[in-house]
Amino acid sequence: QQPVQSPQAVILREGEDAVINCSSSKALYSVHWYRQKHGEAPVFLMILLKGGEQKGHEKISASFNEKKQQSSLYLTASQLSYSGTYFCGTKRGNQGGKLIFGQGTELSVKP
Amino acid sequence: DGGITQSPKYLFRKEGQNVTLSCEQNLNHDAMYWYRQDPGQGLRLIYYSQIVNDFQKGDIAEGYSVSREKKESFPLTVTSAQKNPTAFYLCASSIPGVEQPQHFGDGTRLSIL
Repeated sequence: QQPVQSPQAVILREGEDAVINCSSSKALYSVHWYRQKHGEAPVFLMILLKGGEQKGHEKISASFNEKKQQSSLYLTASQLSYSGTYFCGTKRGNQGGKLIFGQGTELSVKP
Repeated sequence: DGGITQSPKYLFRKEGQNVTLSCEQNLNHDAMYWYRQDPGQGLRLIYYSQIVNDFQKGDIAEGYSVSREKKESFPLTVTSAQKNPTAFYLCASSIPGVEQPQHFGDGTRLSIL
């Protein structure tokens, strides 16, 4: 079951904040977040585990709400370098390394 | 530097032809994965391997085949049975375990002539 990301696309001005959500209809064990620049490899941002704490990476942080089976990625004081497509990848229980990715959220940061 | 190397960067396939995409890693990772990426559809898993000489089908394995004879190599063959092969193909590797991130190669873009 593919997780659903929202919004599909967002345009920001430098310094503005954004939230990207990743929701699943099934119980999740972990959520992985990646960012991909056009034509390049996805780059790992962070992993959130069931029962774990909110994580942070510079001005990018994320949370995992087990009751809602939803993870949110928070980008604060956005920079031009934050532009790209953000993907969440989810795992349910013990399924080894297999991730199911959402369809992506395209983020554009303008000067 | 350790990493994942995919080759070629661009590949063209004729009708009825099989083509093989290369993926090599020197990260000493046991697990390797192949994804297909189409515009607006995210990454879809084709095949994955947790250990040498073993692999499993992902969500869209039809028309594809793989082998895992060496830990560092996981080639993907796009067969003539795959009727819509035009896409961006990404290879990844990881240390097995739920907490481990996947490391991606730079991808191969496959097109039909």
